Amino acid sequence: EPEVTQTPSHQVTQMGQEVILRCVPISNHLYFYWYRQILGQKVEFLVSFYNNEISEKSEIFDDQFSVERPDGSNFTLKIRSTKLEDSAMYFCASASGARSYEQYFGPGTRLTVT
Amino acid sequence: AQSVSQHNHHVILSEAASLELGCNYSYGGTVNLFWYVQYPGQHLQLLLKYFSGDPLVKGIKGFEAEFIKSKFSFNLRKPSVQWSDTAEYFCAVRGTYKYIFGTGTRLKVLA
Repeated sequence: EPEVTQTPSHQVTQMGQEVILRCVPISNHLYFYWYRQILGQKVEFLVSFYNNEISEKSEIFDDQFSVERPDGSNFTLKIRSTKLEDSAMYFCASASGARSYEQYFGPGTRLTVT
Repeated sequence: AQSVSQHNHHVILSEAASLELGCNYSYGGTVNLFWYVQYPGQHLQLLLKYFSGDPLVKGIKGFEAEFIKSKFSFNLRKPSVQWSDTAEYFCAVRGTYKYIFGTGTRLKVLA
């Protein structure tokens, strides 16, 4: 069964550094998402991406964040200058359609900012 | 505003006990509802989903949920829990693009 993959599984970085989290969505999917889960808290939506542009973003997704689909398979989340509070599990998801289509979640990348 | 409420934050049960976790949502459009489970140290796994049709939905691992439109609820049930069901359970509703998750319920099953 096709699945969403994410790399790395765990990333440790120092405050102020840039990080790029990578995701490979399911191959025929067209809608892509990033969510995050701070330890002990609920999963929060960050951004959705379709047709090479952001379709929706949350208040969390400020100018420090960006997303890109650099080629036909990868979907990346970049944090330009990490802060301690960016430490969280980041989940990528993809879907074949927008409404009424299930999103498939990846295993997540645990980001630790020190 | 779109939101999901899970009333039980922590639940402790003995093996073989019955489980019901509450979920209420607020959303004005067509409702797609989900329950996810997250085992310790693992990622989100879909338990079941409701898109349309029969409001009683059966999922994996013996779980089921009932969509009651008049109550804006989508409660998760299992007749007899096992120790291996110890995990965190998230209810979610689908908005236009994003999923809106509840705060989660931590279930601990005592052997």
